[in-house]
Amino acid sequence: AQRVTQPEKLLSVFKGAPVELKCNYSYSGSPELFWYVQYSRQRLQLLLRHISRESIKGFTADLNKGETSFHLKKPFAQEEDSAMYYCLSGGYQKVTFGIGTKLQVIP
Amino acid sequence: GAVVSQHPSWVICKSGTSVKIECRSLDFQATTMFWYRQFPKQSLMLMATSNEGSKATYEQGVEKDKFLINHASLTLSTLTVTSAHPEDSSFYICSARLAPEQFFGPGTRLTVL
Repeated sequence: AQRVTQPEKLLSVFKGAPVELKCNYSYSGSPELFWYVQYSRQRLQLLLRHISRESIKGFTADLNKGETSFHLKKPFAQEEDSAMYYCLSGGYQKVTFGIGTKLQVIP
Repeated sequence: GAVVSQHPSWVICKSGTSVKIECRSLDFQATTMFWYRQFPKQSLMLMATSNEGSKATYEQGVEKDKFLINHASLTLSTLTVTSAHPEDSSFYICSARLAPEQFFGPGTRLTVL
């Protein structure tokens, strides 16, 4: 069975500090991995997907197959980054969410 | 970008009644939609995968006779909570797949009195 693990429910960092939100997965075959973000009172929206290897809002995430990880990183946190972040393993017929990590950026 | 809507956004009902929630993909067709349940301060829990023109696939522990899913067209899936009870009160969210991405609806808050 697919599993997505986000070990931290809450991560608090000061503005300007680096951020790393952890995500580990277990999946047989080639995973499709995503990071979704949910800002206060808004719907879930896509932040990053592993196949695109892009940087969105300063965030990047690299798929490490050896460590089965897909950690989300940003070098300098901003207050507007405060939100819930979900790591997701998805495919055509199956979607598995991590429990989510609440990022709190302290001014 | 693609938009998914849900209706209603919130509903209050009496115990024992049934409630229907609609999920629509507004500007794309989705052969697969997903239904989730989210408890306060918790992650989304996948309830079922809805496939257009066929029966839904339910996750373990989700009662298919309690949560009826109908995906009658490529833009509409419905979730009916039958004989609702207070423990069914929750936030229900749907998503539609436009490969490789999921687009999420805004959610429906169900309160059963």
